[in-house]
Amino acid sequence: GNSVTQMEGPVTLSEEAFLTINCTYTATGYPSLFWYVQYPGEGLQLLLKATKADDKGSNKGFEATYRKETTSFHLEKGSVQVSDSAVYFCALSNAGGTSYGKLTFGQGTILTVHP
Amino acid sequence: DAGVIQSPRHEVTEMGQEVTLRCKPISGHDYLFWYRQTMMRGLELLIYFNNNVPIDDSGMPEDRFSAKMPNASFSTLKIQPSEPRDSAVYFCASSLSGRNGYEQFFGPGTRLTVL
Repeated sequence: GNSVTQMEGPVTLSEEAFLTINCTYTATGYPSLFWYVQYPGEGLQLLLKATKADDKGSNKGFEATYRKETTSFHLEKGSVQVSDSAVYFCALSNAGGTSYGKLTFGQGTILTVHP
Repeated sequence: DAGVIQSPRHEVTEMGQEVTLRCKPISGHDYLFWYRQTMMRGLELLIYFNNNVPIDDSGMPEDRFSAKMPNASFSTLKIQPSEPRDSAVYFCASSLSGRNGYEQFFGPGTRLTVL
């Protein structure tokens, strides 16, 4: 079945450091890929997405490229801020079969950025 | 657009009591999802609906949990009787089938505490 594996956390960085959170997936068909962010006390919100191979999603300085050859969708940001402290979830959409319409989420990675 | 609306935002109840959580999806969306989030188990999909019909309820923990979607603009998740281990944040999400890759929009969540 479909699965998403995220980099183990928590991740602790200093402000302005470079961020990478690894995400790899296993899926049948051609799923869309997502990064969601959850700030303390809030629901999940979409950060960026890519719907086909080689697409790059980007938002708020974050970016991720859909790599079908390595089945990866790593999240990167060149210079993190304290306000980026949150939990980040990688997810894929189930493109077919009995789970059509459902998202499969990774376990989440906690990011803490210190001043 | 108001986004996904959940009520109540916080619920504190005693063990054995019935709890009803409510969700209003984004107008026009045809998928609705109920999730539970805890520190121990992370984000879990409980059940989801397509066009008001339950598609997969395999994540519902036991018979004490039930969910309904009587129309396209309203869903409930009921726990009867509630137990302390049901304490969690419950999220509702909705999505629209089509070309957006099944991006899900999350509500703010209901924080349930069972004493």
